Amino acid sequence: DAGVIQSPRHEVTEMGQEVTLRCKPISGHDYLFWYRQTMMRGLELLIYFNNNVPIDDSGMPEDRFSAKMPNASFSTLKIQPSEPRDSAVYFCASSLTHYEQYFGPGTRLTVT
Amino acid sequence: AQKVTQAQTEISVVEKEDVTLDCVYETRDTTYYLFWYKQPPSGELVFLIRRNSFDEQNEISGRYSWNFQKSTSSFNFTITASQVVDSAVYFCALSGLIQGAQKLVFGQGTRLTINP
Repeated sequence: DAGVIQSPRHEVTEMGQEVTLRCKPISGHDYLFWYRQTMMRGLELLIYFNNNVPIDDSGMPEDRFSAKMPNASFSTLKIQPSEPRDSAVYFCASSLTHYEQYFGPGTRLTVT
Repeated sequence: AQKVTQAQTEISVVEKEDVTLDCVYETRDTTYYLFWYKQPPSGELVFLIRRNSFDEQNEISGRYSWNFQKSTSSFNFTITASQVVDSAVYFCALSGLIQGAQKLVFGQGTRLTINP
């Protein structure tokens, strides 16, 4: 079975540009999570969805960040405009209700 | 608030040694879950184990074992006869259960290096 799929794996962009990260969860999973990993702050939960509906976005750093899940097999995390401090590895994870989360390979974002 | 502390930032051992990674947690929830994830140099996060707060039985899976003690709020991870492939960053995580989802709070991780 395919795991969580994320694209792109690496993204380099200039400050001020829009960045869109993509995620395909494991088929049948009803929860989807977006995390960010940095050296300074470790792994942080940004937002999570249940059955395509955003449940908790309290971890989203600011209005420049937005996430959508238009259907059960696709989610996006968008940063507009991007800033150098957004440089991090962004992980998507999915799970079944009450069960452990499985993570994608991550997208390494560099904003110059 | 929930918190996970992995006091060991880095551990380095020689292959075939046993090594224990410590994890101490704080929570006010009566029902909660504890996890260990492995992050090898390739960067992905690999799920290793989940344990709920009502199950204090120790678990063994091959060379891996986990010791859960509610009395000391600890969930330690031991690798027996370590191998070079065990080199990775290991994260302990904690969650309550909110609306069926497990919101993970991660520790800062322990970087384990196994030297040949």
